[in-house]
Formats: sequence, C-alpha cells, structure tokens
Amino acid sequence: GAVVSQHPSWVICKSGTSVKIECRSLDFQATTMFWYRQFPKQSLMLMATSNEGSKATYEQGVEKDKFLINHASLTLSTLTVTSAHPEDSSFYICSARAPLGLNEQFFGPGTRLTVL
Amino acid sequence: QQQVKQSPQSLIVQKGGISIINCAYENTAFDYFPWYQQFPGKGPALLIAIRPDVSEKKEGRFTISFNKSAKQFSLHIMDSQPGDSATYFCAATGGATNKLIFGTGTLLAVQP
Repeated sequence: GAVVSQHPSWVICKSGTSVKIECRSLDFQATTMFWYRQFPKQSLMLMATSNEGSKATYEQGVEKDKFLINHASLTLSTLTVTSAHPEDSSFYICSARAPLGLNEQFFGPGTRLTVL
Repeated sequence: QQQVKQSPQSLIVQKGGISIINCAYENTAFDYFPWYQQFPGKGPALLIAIRPDVSEKKEGRFTISFNKSAKQFSLHIMDSQPGDSATYFCAATGGATNKLIFGTGTLLAVQP
C-alpha cells in the first residue's frame, strides 16, 4: 500500500515551453500533497504544499506564477513549470501525506526535468 | 528552530560493519522522526520512523535510537551490505507544521 506515482519520469523541453508533472496516490486518498525540488547531491527543498480543493501554499522564494500547482482531486496533484528555463532543470519529487492525520509522507519516484 | 542537523556528510563502511548516522533537532514540538533512503535517480523511500514516546525502534537491520532530552536521534544499520549504499535523510515534523524538515543527507558507501 501507500504507493505514489509520478508522470513523466523524465522530460526534456525547450526553453520557454511549459511542462506539467502529475503526482498520483494510487491506493489512498491524499488531502495534502507536497512538491519538492532536489539538486544533485543536495537535500530535498520543499516548494509548496498542495491541499485538495484549495490554493497551494508556497514556500518563501518560490514563484507561484512560475510553478503552478493544482490539486483537483484526492488522488491527483499537478505541477506545471511555466516558461521553463535551463535554471529550472532539476529533479522534482512529490509526496502524499498519509490519511487519518498521520505524519507519514510517501514519496513518488521523481521527475527529471531538463530544459534546453 | 526548524533546522535538523545531520552528520556525517559521507560515510564509508566495510561490509558487515555498523553504519551510524546522527541527527539533531531544535524544535521540541516535533513528534515524528522518519528516516528515508534514496538511491540515485529515485525518490526517497521511508525506511523507519520513531515517535518520542520510545527511545529505540528496530526493524530488521535498521534501528533508530532517540534521545529526547538531548534532542538527538540516530540511525544504526547493522551488518551493512553493499546494497545499503545510498543517501540517507533524517527528517522531523510535528507541532504546528505538517511539513517534513529534512537533514542535509548522508552518502553511505558500503565496501565489499
């Protein structure tokens, strides 16, 4: 149980285009999902908290107009990187919080974004 | 107050040895302390977690030791194997936040 998937697993795009990454909780409903960004050999950096049916809460320094988050259902959250630039190239990882108020977070396999 | 400090940054252990990774936190409201294992190009996977009402939790070769008064917790990997070579992250959460506060990570290499 507690499986989180991400799609795509990797994507290469041209500078200026937008890219959408999907995060799904496959066997449980997640009212809260999180989006992280990870640079090589570094820790996970929280970008935003996604709550089903409401606006995402962004961490300080994260541009909400550039990183659009939608959490339209209890099993799906999407992250859209708008007008991507090479500096947006990174490993993006989502997680879903366990139900019933438990603290556990289950992570997806990550999406490698490369912007040319 | 929200930081979690992790050490060492990297660790080399011989096969069969014990790997020990340490973390320290500041926020006394934290009440959940997980450890994650991450292989290159993969997302983190929950390895083991502990709550402050116990001082130790063991699952197979993995043990968390927790010292509430010192605000420290550590991961012990017994009989370390080459397949354990990965990056390990400690984390903490609780109180007013539902966010995981991550440590900086430890790159473990187990030599055969």
